[in-house]
Amino acid sequence: QQPVQSPQAVILREGEDAVINCSSSKALYSVHWYRQKHGEAPVFLMILLKGGEQKGHEKISASFNEKKQQSSLYLTASQLSYSGTYFCGTERTYGQNFVFGPGTRLSVLP
Amino acid sequence: DTEVTQTPKHLVMGMTNKKSLKCEQHMGHRAMYWYKQKAKKPPELMFVYSYEKLSINESVPSRFSPECPNSSLLNLHLHALQPEDSALYLCASSQVAWGENTGELFFGEGSRLTVL
Repeated sequence: QQPVQSPQAVILREGEDAVINCSSSKALYSVHWYRQKHGEAPVFLMILLKGGEQKGHEKISASFNEKKQQSSLYLTASQLSYSGTYFCGTERTYGQNFVFGPGTRLSVLP
Repeated sequence: DTEVTQTPKHLVMGMTNKKSLKCEQHMGHRAMYWYKQKAKKPPELMFVYSYEKLSINESVPSRFSPECPNSSLLNLHLHALQPEDSALYLCASSQVAWGENTGELFFGEGSRLTVL
């Protein structure tokens, strides 16, 4: 079952912050985040396992709320290079049922 | 080498043609995947090979035929395709085998297929 992402699209100015959410009506084992720039391959950002773990690198971090079955991706002080479509991918059980969400299109303007 | 290489980058074919897409990785990954991606949509899983054996076929029409000649190569044979099959075909690999915790997927840049 495909997870839900919100918002569908967001436009930012350089330096602004953004939050992208990914949620499921079913219990999740893990949430994965990928970014795909226009005309390029999806690139892995991070994996979060159930347990409420928060991860991050540089100005991009994410959390996983197991009770709500929701993950949030935080982009801080956005840069032009952050533009692209962000996909979450969810896994309901260990090693099974991995599916991508519909994506959130992020545009960072100068 | 941390790349997944796909050829060709672009392919135009008629509905009666037979063509193949190729994918190669030299990272020693145990699983390789074919995804189909339509414009403004997420990648959709088509096939998974794990340890060179077909593990998943997501009810893909038989006009798509995957092949895994060895642990580094993955092919997708195309025959009698329809215009609605036009899409970006992405190959991916992962270090972990299918059925283990889904790890990082390394994607190739894709083959953009147009069926006339």
